[in-house]
Amino acid sequence: AQSVTQLDSQVPVFEEAPVELRCNYSSSVSVYLFWYVQYPNQGLQLLLKYLSGSTLVKGINGFEAEFNKSQTSFHLRKPSVHISDTAEYFCAVSRNSGYALNFGKGTSLLVTP
Amino acid sequence: ETGVTQTPRHLVMGMTNKKSLKCEQHLGHNAMYWYKQSAKKPLELMFVYNFKEQTENNSVPSRFSPECPNSSHLFLHLHTLQPEDSALYLCASSHMDGGDYGYTFGSGTRLTVV
Repeated sequence: AQSVTQLDSQVPVFEEAPVELRCNYSSSVSVYLFWYVQYPNQGLQLLLKYLSGSTLVKGINGFEAEFNKSQTSFHLRKPSVHISDTAEYFCAVSRNSGYALNFGKGTSLLVTP
Repeated sequence: ETGVTQTPRHLVMGMTNKKSLKCEQHLGHNAMYWYKQSAKKPLELMFVYNFKEQTENNSVPSRFSPECPNSSHLFLHLHTLQPEDSALYLCASSHMDGGDYGYTFGSGTRLTVV
């Protein structure tokens, strides 16, 4: 089975500062990796995904993530955050399309002025 | 509009009521999922349907009964729920065995059991 660990439950950061949200995964087979964002009272929106190829993946809203197979990590980064980035961020892993996503517990990003 | 529509957005029901949640997608996906999101808990997979066939039931109590009449529609029938079943219920869809490997989520149904 595949699983995901998000190491930080909350990350406070000042506006325009860089941020990194950490995600480690565990799997005995090749996986696909995803980052989703959830704004209050909304569903999940896909930020980016890694399927294969280049290990640096760029997503929406200026976010990017790097797949590191040796460290089994898929950390999410943004060089300069905005107040509007305040939300819950979920890392997820899947064995293949058609298989369900397994989610981490989420990281709450709080951006303050 | 995300491409996956869930109704109703909010639902309050008593423990003896029977209600249903509806999910609809017109993305051409053939796999659909129900997830439960409770406060301070990770997203829990409940059911998986591929080509209308249930392929996974993640030890969900029988008071939750899914139905998938076709690849575009998914229901979750609820009866004799408990207060701890109060949560956000999210529906998602994806391609099976190929496609863009994108999972699209609906906005969810916020369920309160009183």
